[in-house]
Amino acid sequence: AAGVIQSPRHLIKEKRETATLKCYPIPRHDTVYWYQQGPGQDPQFLISFYEKMQSDKGSIPDRFSAQQFSDYHSELNMSSLELGDSALYFCASSLEFSEQFFGPGTRLTVL
Amino acid sequence: DQQVKQNSPSLSVQEGRISILNCDYTNSMFDYFLWYKKYPAEGPTFLISISSIKDKNEDGRFTVFLNKSAKHLSLHIVPSQPGDSAVYFCAASDSTGTASKLTFGTGTRLQVTL
Repeated sequence: AAGVIQSPRHLIKEKRETATLKCYPIPRHDTVYWYQQGPGQDPQFLISFYEKMQSDKGSIPDRFSAQQFSDYHSELNMSSLELGDSALYFCASSLEFSEQFFGPGTRLTVL
Repeated sequence: DQQVKQNSPSLSVQEGRISILNCDYTNSMFDYFLWYKKYPAEGPTFLISISSIKDKNEDGRFTVFLNKSAKHLSLHIVPSQPGDSAVYFCAASDSTGTASKLTFGTGTRLQVTL
């Protein structure tokens, strides 16, 4: 069965640079979520989209923005990167209120 | 403010025995609960869920119990297998809005020994 696809899997950036993370949800899923997991921490909700509209916002810095496109894929844009942004970024998708299925994550390292 | 808590950071169980992972929550608005299993460098894998209208849900070797009055849920794995060794996250959501975000617990590392 098709799963959530995230790209890239690994990304290394310098401080103050910009990064774009992509997420391709499971086909026919209409909801996408972004989570950030720091070292030794639980995943923290960042933002979600339902039918291409932002539906909920968590602890997402103003330097980050995201959107969901007409084909339901989503992109998380991160600017002015800081050392503390180094983390695993997970995307999950679901069909309305059903269970969220997670992608493999993007490991972002900021040097 | 940790709204979902897993007080045992680790658990070691012998193969074939029962593994019991516990989770407590504080937000009374949570009405949907899930367990995820996570291997290093992989995304969380959905295991089982339970709605607040039920107190038990079973799927193969996995059973989740919910005690709403105590705001407590547990995951039972019987029998435990070495392949079950992973970090288990409890998660909760308030499904009254659209696109319900998950609030995760801190995780319990399960080690199933031979």
